[in-house]
Amino acid sequence: DIVMTQTPLSLSVTPGQPASISCKSSQSLLHSNGKTYLYWCLQKPGQPPQLLIYEVSNRFSGVPDRFSGSGSGTDFTLKISRVEAEDVGVYYCMQSIQLPGSFGQGTKLEIK
Amino acid sequence: EVQLVQSGAEVKKPGESLKISCKGSGYSFTSYWIGWVRQMPGKGLEWMGVIYPGDSDTRYSPSFQGQVTISADKSLSTAYLQWSSLKASDTAMYYCARKEGSSWGQGTLVTVSS
Repeated sequence: DIVMTQTPLSLSVTPGQPASISCKSSQSLLHSNGKTYLYWCLQKPGQPPQLLIYEVSNRFSGVPDRFSGSGSGTDFTLKISRVEAEDVGVYYCMQSIQLPGSFGQGTKLEIK
Repeated sequence: EVQLVQSGAEVKKPGESLKISCKGSGYSFTSYWIGWVRQMPGKGLEWMGVIYPGDSDTRYSPSFQGQVTISADKSLSTAYLQWSSLKASDTAMYYCARKEGSSWGQGTLVTVSS
């Protein structure tokens, strides 16, 4: 099994300030086809999760450009350049190179 | 527009069986892996398993292998999650989702209580 480890597990951020979440996988997420199967999702309170970033650094449709993803191999980062009130919720990294996939523990973002 | 629509909330007793569903629309249902994610009260997300409806190839997480059955009906563009004998510990929200997370169902709350 691929274990996904996120840090920190909680964040409290002032609106307009940046935020960063780290995700490390126990095995490389780089496939032989050249793609890296690392995703970031956000679960807002009372809602299903929604996809933010796919394949490390690609913003999903409709996702604001203040969200960015980076990394390679086993180390990945999600950055929010300027946090807004609507960004509250739990952020999860997810891998799908080994099915059925696995999630990190989640990082809860709160607004100060 | 890609949509996944799940069946409604269920209240069951321990030992009862259950099958919940997830209907896909707006895309080629047989061409994408689709699976089930468990979220226990106040906890994180767990992939239970995924199925490729085109050939019914199914992969389970070790934690859920033998505990549930995932299936799909291509003709109905619908995926299923079923239990033969529910336990109180199966009480959770269950989401269906495409493997890459690009589309999620609204969730089905399953409550198992005597």
